[in-house]
Amino acid sequence: NAGVTQTPKFQVLKTGQSMTLQCAQDMNHEYMSWYRQDPGMGLRLIHYSVGAGITDQGEVPNGYNVSRSTTEDFPLRLLSAAPSQTSVYFCASSSQVSHEQYFGPGTRLTVT
Amino acid sequence: DAKTTQPTSMDCAEGRAANLPCNHSTISGNEYVYWYRQIHSQGPQYIIHGLKNNETNEMASLIITEDRKSSTLILPHATLRDTAVYYCIVSLADRGSTLGRLYFGRGTQLTVWP
Repeated sequence: NAGVTQTPKFQVLKTGQSMTLQCAQDMNHEYMSWYRQDPGMGLRLIHYSVGAGITDQGEVPNGYNVSRSTTEDFPLRLLSAAPSQTSVYFCASSSQVSHEQYFGPGTRLTVT
Repeated sequence: DAKTTQPTSMDCAEGRAANLPCNHSTISGNEYVYWYRQIHSQGPQYIIHGLKNNETNEMASLIITEDRKSSTLILPHATLRDTAVYYCIVSLADRGSTLGRLYFGRGTQLTVWP
């Protein structure tokens, strides 16, 4: 199993540009989540999904959209990038019967 | 806001036990205590969790006080590879899962020195 994969690893955007961060898992997990981590801080929950077609907001959802059309994929869309969205983004997945969340390696995003 | 309080940093000699404390005085009866760690800039890694009883696995032990208001993560023989930020998280769990929602604080930076 590859586990949780994220692409790209690094991305630089200009203010106002849009992009999609990709996340995929091959463990057939029902739950998937997106977090962001700013320097010196813990992770903050952006959006999460409890299954295909079902998503909900976390702590810091503004400026981000998500959708979950398949069990495997959970893309995060930045509609109009802002410098405040400069951060490291982590995707995670977990199963319905496990307490453990599995995290991807992260995407480092810089918005200039 | 995170529901836990942890020291900002700790250090430990290699080979000794590392004891990382966590206060969660407002924990409710159906909330679990989870520990994750993050090595350098990698994704966080699950360590252990517990509800009421002490727990042990191949990585660590978790000691939860009887009133559940605090806990301690114990790494019995710390190595240099255990240098990381350790997060103590309190979360509801439904039928064995947090439903993908974890709320992190700033954690404790543990440095293991030779």
